[in-house]
Amino acid sequence: DGGITQSPKYLFRKEGQNVTLSCEQNLNHDAMYWYRQDPGQGLRLIYYSQIVNDFQKGDIAEGYSVSREKKESFPLTVTSAQKNPTAFYLCASMYGTLGNQPQHFGDGTRLSIL
Amino acid sequence: AQTVTQSQPEMSVQEAETVTLSCTYDTSESDYYLFWYKQPPSRQMILVIRQEAYKQQNATENRFSVNFQKAAKSFSLKISDSQLGDAAMYFCASPPMNTGFQKLVFGTGTRLLVSP
Repeated sequence: DGGITQSPKYLFRKEGQNVTLSCEQNLNHDAMYWYRQDPGQGLRLIYYSQIVNDFQKGDIAEGYSVSREKKESFPLTVTSAQKNPTAFYLCASMYGTLGNQPQHFGDGTRLSIL
Repeated sequence: AQTVTQSQPEMSVQEAETVTLSCTYDTSESDYYLFWYKQPPSRQMILVIRQEAYKQQNATENRFSVNFQKAAKSFSLKISDSQLGDAAMYFCASPPMNTGFQKLVFGTGTRLLVSP
């Protein structure tokens, strides 16, 4: 079945450490997105990518980095510069790039600080 | 910037009853899209319904329907014959046209509680 796979489901980060969250999709979607979700808040966009080797900052990109070397993969690195990384992270993809299509979401990764 | 507002942090409904979740948005565009997503305890976001602003007819998906009032910039979700499985967080969202519809702007969500 087609879908979006995020791994790991739970991740712990030590102080000063960079960690990478994986997102893979086999839907052949062009656009991919990373969101952060904090308690009591909606989803906030971190980065998004419409095509391979290109991506744009979202509303809260500081302390994060991404790459899009393959159409199906869009990993997110939470760097040590992100001082408050504890949150639930959701990856999404969308067919086309017009935004009139719904985004499809993975099951998420919960990141915590050790 | 486009904003999406959900003013009800939590709503309750009994099984088989009907409940309406509110959403308002602010945009200067004439054509845009609106979405309702459901996030159950499993945390996966699931599309509930989609509305295109230029369509006058309200979207309907089985027990879910919207009341889209373009002039009032209101996009409420009505759930009929509520079921225990409807208990979840519900988010209203819209992609701003000035980003080429690339970014989804989400409301803060409404938690729906369903009691037997």
